Amino acid sequence: AQSVTQLGSHVSVSEGALVLLRCNYSSSVPPYLFWYVQYPNQGLQLLLKYTTGATLVKGINGFEAEFKKSETSFHLTKPSAHMSDAAEYFCAVRDTGRRALTFGSGTRLQVQP
Amino acid sequence: DAGVIQSPRHEVTEMGQEVTLRCKPISGHDYLFWYRQTMMRGLELLIYFNNNVPIDDSGMPEDRFSAKMPNASFSTLKIQPSEPRDSAVYFCASASSAGGSYNEQFFGPGTRLTVL
Repeated sequence: AQSVTQLGSHVSVSEGALVLLRCNYSSSVPPYLFWYVQYPNQGLQLLLKYTTGATLVKGINGFEAEFKKSETSFHLTKPSAHMSDAAEYFCAVRDTGRRALTFGSGTRLQVQP
Repeated sequence: DAGVIQSPRHEVTEMGQEVTLRCKPISGHDYLFWYRQTMMRGLELLIYFNNNVPIDDSGMPEDRFSAKMPNASFSTLKIQPSEPRDSAVYFCASASSAGGSYNEQFFGPGTRLTVL
């Protein structure tokens, strides 16, 4: 069964600093990979997704992620954090033969002024 | 489009009562998903439908939980009888298969259920 591991349940950065949120997956076949963001008391919003093709994926709000098959990783980055980036971030995986997503445990990002 | 609509947004009930959560997917979407979010277990799939037919209900905790999709624009998740451990945020999401098999799931705002 596929699984997703997000290292670090809480990450704190200063405004303007690099954001790096880690995600590793286990899947027997190349999966589809997603990052979602959840603001307080709201549903999940898609940041970006990897399906096929280019391994560096750009998303909304300046976020990007790189699919590294050899490392089974899909880490999320943003060069410069903004206060509005404070939220919880979820990495998710979907096998090609199944529609539902398997989510990681989430990483809460704090941005300090 | 109004997005995925869930009702109620908050529900407080007493143990043993029946609870019904409702979801209206985005018009034209043919997939509908129910997820549950708790501190202990994170986000987990309960069940999903394709063209109103349940495809995978392996995540439904037990017989107390049931889900229906009588038509393309409405789904319910029912818990009977409810227990305190059912307290969670329940999300509904919908997706379209048009244009590819990896289309984005759009999430509703969730229903926060508290069972006393």
